[in-house]
Amino acid sequence: GAVVSQHPSWVICKSGTSVKIECRSLDFQATTMFWYRQFPKQSLMLMATSNEGSKATYEQGVEKDKFLINHASLTLSTLTVTSAHPEDSSFYICSARDRTSGSHEQYFGPGTRLTVT
Amino acid sequence: AQSVAQPEDQVNVAEGNPLTVKCTYSVSGNPYLFWYVQYPNRGLQFLLKYITGDNLVKGSYGFEAEFNKSQTSFHLKKPSALVSDSALYFCAGGAGTYKYIFGTGTRLKVLA
Repeated sequence: GAVVSQHPSWVICKSGTSVKIECRSLDFQATTMFWYRQFPKQSLMLMATSNEGSKATYEQGVEKDKFLINHASLTLSTLTVTSAHPEDSSFYICSARDRTSGSHEQYFGPGTRLTVT
Repeated sequence: AQSVAQPEDQVNVAEGNPLTVKCTYSVSGNPYLFWYVQYPNRGLQFLLKYITGDNLVKGSYGFEAEFNKSQTSFHLKKPSALVSDSALYFCAGGAGTYKYIFGTGTRLKVLA
């Protein structure tokens, strides 16, 4: 149980275009989802916290107009990288909390590798 | 400020020997702590967690960790390392909120 999927697993896009990454909880409902960014050989950096039906909460230094987050249902959150540039190339990982669980445990997706050319 | 620290960038251990990957934390309140493993170009795989209860936590693939409140540590251990254990290990935790604080990661290399 507690499986989180991400789509696509990897994507290459041209500079200036936008790309959408989906994060789905497959067998549970997630009131809260988190989006992380990971640079090569570095730790995960929390970008934003996404709550179903409300606006995402962005971490300091993360451009909300650049990284649009939508959490329209209890099983789906999307991250759209707008007007992508090569410096946005990174590994993006989402995680989700089970709404029925009282624990702090997050379930992680497999990640999406974005390359902007 | 709350923090999770992994003081070693890399740990090398011979196959069959015990391994330890260190993690210390600094949080206000009762901490919750996790260990995850990451293989190249993959997401995080859950190993074990401490929320409350027994200080010795047993997890997946033979790993265990001991929550030590006085030393504010949560070191990951395994009695006998395998070459397939070679990967990047992350300690994460927090207190009072649902947001994780991640350590910087420790690369474990098990030598055959």
